[in-house]
Amino acid sequence: EVQLQESGPGLVKPSQSLSLTCSVTGYSITSNYWGWIRKFPGNKMEWMGYISYSGSTSYNPSLKSRISITRDTSKNQFFLQLNSVTTEDTATYYCARGRAYGTLDYWGQGVMVTVSS
Amino acid sequence: DIQMTQSPSFLSASVGDRVTINCKASQNINKYLDWYQQKHGEAPKLLIYNTNNLQTGIPSRFSGSGSGTDYTLTISSLQPEDVATYFCLQHSSRPLTFGSGTKLEIK
Repeated sequence: EVQLQESGPGLVKPSQSLSLTCSVTGYSITSNYWGWIRKFPGNKMEWMGYISYSGSTSYNPSLKSRISITRDTSKNQFFLQLNSVTTEDTATYYCARGRAYGTLDYWGQGVMVTVSS
Repeated sequence: DIQMTQSPSFLSASVGDRVTINCKASQNINKYLDWYQQKHGEAPKLLIYNTNNLQTGIPSRFSGSGSGTDYTLTISSLQPEDVATYFCLQHSSRPLTFGSGTKLEIK
């Protein structure tokens, strides 16, 4: 069974970088697409971007200057880095597996990240 | 970006009721529309992909329909375990965009 688990600090200071890890079991990240999504307080959801089976990336233009998604295939993990965070980046962050045409078929449970001094 | 307008935001219905939730896209999304269920504290779960395809393991009381800009999730006979928030996702074009969610409760 495909399982995803997010991990990382729950509190980040403004202007710093947010770094999260998604650990995947039951499926290789050298297949499919692997993405990050976040849910803001108030429940609005935002697709942040993905890294593909080949290592190519695609990002939401709203984040393009601040976001980086990378991977470690030896550990079957992929990572999110979001730079220069503000309080508006406070959200629950999810990782998910994507199919070729975009359907997100497996998700992690999410990790809540608060940006506060 | 394609805007997804989901309605209603909140829905209260009785066990056995037929329930419908709608998503309207700001432009044609060519049936690239998925539906998800999220129970409190759990990971989102894929119910329906590409408008009307039932994900493996999902009960047949869930169905989807639509075309162009208008899409519907239907629960044919509401069950107590269907209490959750439901949201749609369009993947016709990037960035992928989500509906605002529908919180479903049992009367």
